[in-house]
Amino acid sequence: KNQVEQSPQSLIILEGKNCTLQCNYTVSPFSNLRWYKQDTGRGPVSLTIMTFSENTKSNGRYTATLDADTKQSSLHITASQLSDSASYICVVSDRGSTLGRLYFGRGTQLTVWP
Amino acid sequence: EADIYQTPRYLVIGTGKKITLECSQTMGHDKMYWYQQDPGMELHLIHYSYGVNSTEKGDLSSESTVSRIRTEHFPLTLESARPSHTSQYLCASRGAEETQYFGPGTRLLVL
Repeated sequence: KNQVEQSPQSLIILEGKNCTLQCNYTVSPFSNLRWYKQDTGRGPVSLTIMTFSENTKSNGRYTATLDADTKQSSLHITASQLSDSASYICVVSDRGSTLGRLYFGRGTQLTVWP
Repeated sequence: EADIYQTPRYLVIGTGKKITLECSQTMGHDKMYWYQQDPGMELHLIHYSYGVNSTEKGDLSSESTVSRIRTEHFPLTLESARPSHTSQYLCASRGAEETQYFGPGTRLLVL
């Protein structure tokens, strides 16, 4: 069964600190993995997208890693800011259909305190 | 910021009413999607469309219906709203590249 599991479910950190969010998946055949940021009451916004051959991709203070062998990904946030408070969703796409089927994790709810 | 819009943003309505959630995008994307998301839960695909006059049901069974008469417009309709339909509804579109662009969502509360 294709699944995406994220941990932790929620996380509280102080402003300026770093944090790492985890994503494990069983989706096969794998196409790509995205991290989305979803602010409360808004739709998800794409942060990074990685294909099978990519190990690391950065977008400002966000750095995503992918280990396709162990089917794990992480999102590292550096020097957190209050505006980083949001839900971070790991989304994996399979390449077995023309739909480009997406499998969503439940997200990690990050809260950054001043 | 993606050019995909949803209205209304919030809707409180009584049981049995007919409602239509609007979704439009100005990017010319062929593929469009409707997702349902409950608090703290993952997004579930309820409808999708490959293009004009193409609509399919997604993974999550839904009593809603959709139509795709124009490329830019993908409305979702509930003929008779029930409290179990209370949720957040997210519309998305996808162009030639892989990324799906999401609208801001509609939060629906059925009393």
